[in-house]
Amino acid sequence: SQKIEQNSEALNIQEGKTATLTCNYTNYSPAYLQWYRQDPGRGPVFLLLIRENEKEKRKERLKVTFDTTLKQSLFHITASQPADSATYLCALVEDMRFGAGTRLTVKP
Amino acid sequence: NAGVTQTPKFQVLKTGQSMTLQCAQDMNHNSMYWYRQDPGMGLRLIYYSASEGTTDKGEVPNGYNVSRLNKREFSLRLESAAPSQTSVYFCASSPRDSPNQPQHFGDGTRLSIL
Repeated sequence: SQKIEQNSEALNIQEGKTATLTCNYTNYSPAYLQWYRQDPGRGPVFLLLIRENEKEKRKERLKVTFDTTLKQSLFHITASQPADSATYLCALVEDMRFGAGTRLTVKP
Repeated sequence: NAGVTQTPKFQVLKTGQSMTLQCAQDMNHNSMYWYRQDPGMGLRLIYYSASEGTTDKGEVPNGYNVSRLNKREFSLRLESAAPSQTSVYFCASSPRDSPNQPQHFGDGTRLSIL
């Protein structure tokens, strides 16, 4: 069955830098891949969706890439701020599978 | 702007007790989902309802039952709680059961079973 892995459990960066989070999957390439943000004690909140035929998708300071050859999606936050500190989850919704998440901490 | 509402927010049960977790959405969504979230394991799908009147098993259905009461409400029942069911439970909804649709989540029910 499809497995989804987010390589880093935690990532600490300095304010203003670019955060890059990785999501890998093991089997067939999904038609869509989604990214969510989860704050402590709250449910996940949808951020972005990328289709398999899209190399890149942007929304304000967020950028997602999708490489079906590498079976990988990268999630970037540019000009990071302390308010970006949260756990970020990738999801293969057609398999109804979510990654375990990467906890991002942006230090001022 | 209620979105997805889950009740209760916290619950402590003894092994063998039963309880029902409630979920309601006010976005007129067709599809609803129940997940559990455990440390290091991500969200795992328990059951889902693609549309009113249908329910299907997810990855970890054992020990749970669900009821799609109407379009708005989707409940999760633990008939005989076990310590392994200690977890945070999230309900979600989406306009339809399609991978290009975002899921909208409630804020969870934190369940401890002693």
